Amino acid sequence: GQQLNQSPQSMFIQEGEDVSMNCTSSSIFNTWLWYKQDPGEGPVLLIALYKAGELTSNGRLTAQFGITRKDSFLNISASIPSDVGIYFCAGNAGGTSYGKLTFGQGTILTVHP
Amino acid sequence: EPEVTQTPSHQVTQMGQEVILRCVPISNHLYFYWYRQILGQKVEFLVSFYNNEISEKSEIFDDQFSVERPDGSNFTLKIRSTKLEDSAMYFCASSELVGETQYFGPGTRLLVL
Repeated sequence: GQQLNQSPQSMFIQEGEDVSMNCTSSSIFNTWLWYKQDPGEGPVLLIALYKAGELTSNGRLTAQFGITRKDSFLNISASIPSDVGIYFCAGNAGGTSYGKLTFGQGTILTVHP
Repeated sequence: EPEVTQTPSHQVTQMGQEVILRCVPISNHLYFYWYRQILGQKVEFLVSFYNNEISEKSEIFDDQFSVERPDGSNFTLKIRSTKLEDSAMYFCASSELVGETQYFGPGTRLLVL
């Protein structure tokens, strides 16, 4: 089945630093989404990407949909303590997948004040 | 801002018992989904539902699982005879159209003893 490889698995950074994480796949996805999950809660959408090459920002967050449609990255600039959480990439392959999202394994982000 | 809601937030049940998890998707959304997340793992797709039919299901979604839209607002997941390995967070999600952004509920934490 489709799989997304997300890296890094975890990051420990100082407040104010920039963060970058990415997802890669061996198969093509038509949609890439980035979610943040706090402990015991549901994933909250950060950025949605629908076109290959698309670069989208949401405040301090920037994400790109890779040209090959097999990868995406998320950057967080000037991190703050409330950025702490687990970040997931998710992709939808389109076609007969009827909206099924495949999730990456997550990146655990810790920000030291 | 419209959101997906889920009840109960927590459920503890004995192995072999039936459980019904409830969701109220965002009101103008047409596509509904269930996902689960075993503690410490990634989010996994269970089933998608549109026009009162299952559109796609994963291999996890076996005969013990069923979904229903009993009225115009609720969307339910039933597990007929729970097993220990069904213990997980169960997330409902909805989207306006297939392939569009999915919005997740806060989840139901199911513990099977």
